[in-house]
Amino acid sequence: AQSVSQHNHHVILSEAASLELGCNYSYGGTVNLFWYVQYPGQHLQLLLKYFSGDPLVKGIKGFEAEFIKSKFSFNLRKPSVQWSDTAEYFCAVTGYSSASKIIFGSGTRLSIRP
Amino acid sequence: GAGVSQSPRYKVTKRGQDVALRCDPISGHVSLYWYRQALGQGPEFLTYFNYEAQQDKSGLPNDRFSAERPEGSISTLTIQRTEQRDSAMYRCASSSEMELFFGEGSRLTVL
Repeated sequence: AQSVSQHNHHVILSEAASLELGCNYSYGGTVNLFWYVQYPGQHLQLLLKYFSGDPLVKGIKGFEAEFIKSKFSFNLRKPSVQWSDTAEYFCAVTGYSSASKIIFGSGTRLSIRP
Repeated sequence: GAGVSQSPRYKVTKRGQDVALRCDPISGHVSLYWYRQALGQGPEFLTYFNYEAQQDKSGLPNDRFSAERPEGSISTLTIQRTEQRDSAMYRCASSSEMELFFGEGSRLTVL
């Protein structure tokens, strides 16, 4: 069955610290992977996506993620976080066909200390 | 419109009543998704459509929940005989090239 695991429920960092949020997925086939962000009081919006090609994908606001097929992982990284990165981050997976649903992980809450 | 529009934004109802939640997707978007999100949790898949065809309804919790998209645009999620456990944020998203564009959500409270 299709599933996504985000093991870090709440991460607290100081400004300028480096960030890595874990995401592991389960899916029996070719996947498309996403990270969405939800800032306080706002709706979810796309941060970055992987469909194919270079496994290191870059998104908005300095975020990047690396698809490691052998580990079924798609971890999110940022070299230096800012207070404005405080938000909830959700990893999502779908299969390659248009008949495949998009499934989200339970999310990681990121708190940045100014 | 410019984005996905959901109505009502807030709905308070008594247990046993039926509720209908509406989603107006971005014009031209083929796919439309419904999710339920509890506080502190990720969006839980309910169902999705391509055009008017319901592709997958495996996430609907039970037969009190149903959804339709009769003309391939606006969609309605209906919950019959609501129960307190149905209280949650219901989110709709439409999709272009698999990128989801979410609406503001409909917060349902069942008393």
